[in-house]
Parts: sequence; C-alpha cells; structure tokens
Amino acid sequence: AQSVTQPDIHITVSEGASLELRCNYSYGATPYLFWYVQSPGQGLQLLLKYFSGDTLVQGIKGFEAEFKRSQSSFNLRKPSVHWSDAAEYFCAVNAGNMLTFGGGTRLMVKP
Amino acid sequence: SAVISQKPSRDICQRGTSLTIQCQVDSQVTMMFWYRQQPGQSLTLIATANQGSEATYESGFVIDKFPISRPNLTFSTLTVSNMSPEDSSIYLCSVEGLTYEQYFGPGTRLTVT
Repeated sequence: AQSVTQPDIHITVSEGASLELRCNYSYGATPYLFWYVQSPGQGLQLLLKYFSGDTLVQGIKGFEAEFKRSQSSFNLRKPSVHWSDAAEYFCAVNAGNMLTFGGGTRLMVKP
Repeated sequence: SAVISQKPSRDICQRGTSLTIQCQVDSQVTMMFWYRQQPGQSLTLIATANQGSEATYESGFVIDKFPISRPNLTFSTLTVSNMSPEDSSIYLCSVEGLTYEQYFGPGTRLTVT
C-alpha cells in the first residue's frame, strides 16, 4: 500500500524568504503526485500535480515541485513567500484510484 | 476543474442524532469520494460512491454509521448516524479529474455536543 510522509509538522518562514516543504512517498511504481493547500476554514485547493514527463512542475500561486525518483520525494518550493501563503499544505499520491494524503505541514509566515 | 458545493457548511448537532450532508457537482462525474478530516489531522477516505451501485467503504468505516446515496451523476449525500462527539470533524466530498487529481468541495464542519 502506498504511504506519504511529510516530515515537518510546522514550518515558520519570514515573508519574502524562500520555502521548501518536504514530501516522501512509498509506492512500487511511479505514482501520480499532488500538492494541495488548505487555508483556515476552507476546502482543499490543488496547487500542482505530477504524472509524467518533466520532473519539475509549475503550479498556481508561484509554487513549483520537483519529482525525484531516486529519493522518492516530491518537495514543494516557492522562491518568495507571501503572508497569504500561511496555510496547511498536503502532499498526496494516487496509486490505483485511491488518493492517500500525508499528515500535512502547517506554514506560518512572519512579517 | 469541477465546481463542487456542499450543504450545510457547518452544523452543531446533539449526540445521538443524524446529519445528512449534500454534495453537488456542476458536471457529470463517475466517482465521488467522501473524506473525514478530524481536528488538526489529515484527510481520511471514508468511501467511494459510484452512481447506480453501493458505495465502497474503507477500513474502519461502515455503511450503518455512514450511509451514502448517489442518485445521479452530479449529486451525493453522506449521513453521519447516531453521532457522538468523536464524529466532530470536517467532512469533504471530492471528484476525480482527468489525470487522477481530485477536486474538493468546501467541506462541512460538524460539531457534536
């Protein structure tokens, strides 16, 4: 069965600083990989997805993620964080028509 | 991407009662999914609902507690039955896109007292 690990439960960055959120997955083949964001009191919004091709994928709101097969990772990055990026971020893998989520990383942004 | 709405957006219920949550999609979809997000936790899949067939429940979830209806290709309901405070969660429905991503509704925030 597939699993997803987000090692960092909380991350605090200063506004304007760069950001990297880590995600590791466990699955026998290449899965479909996703990052979602959940703002307080909101549903989940899809930031980006990887299913084949270029291992560096661009998403909405200036986010990007890089798929590294050798490390079973799909880390999310943003070069300059804005205060409005404060939210919960979830990495997810779809393998066999089932979406499995990581535990989430809560991002706080300092002014 | 699909536009999904849920009703109610939030509710406060007494233990022992039941609540039915509605999920409406703006396009026809084959599969709809129901998730639970307990306070401060990630999402856990409750069941997958296909139109015209019984819902498929994940381990730890049973039909008697979470009956699901799927009367057509744009609508589904989830009922949380005989509620206890442990059922206090956000309940989300979702649909699958063309490349196995899922699009989520805004969620229903349930508090059981």
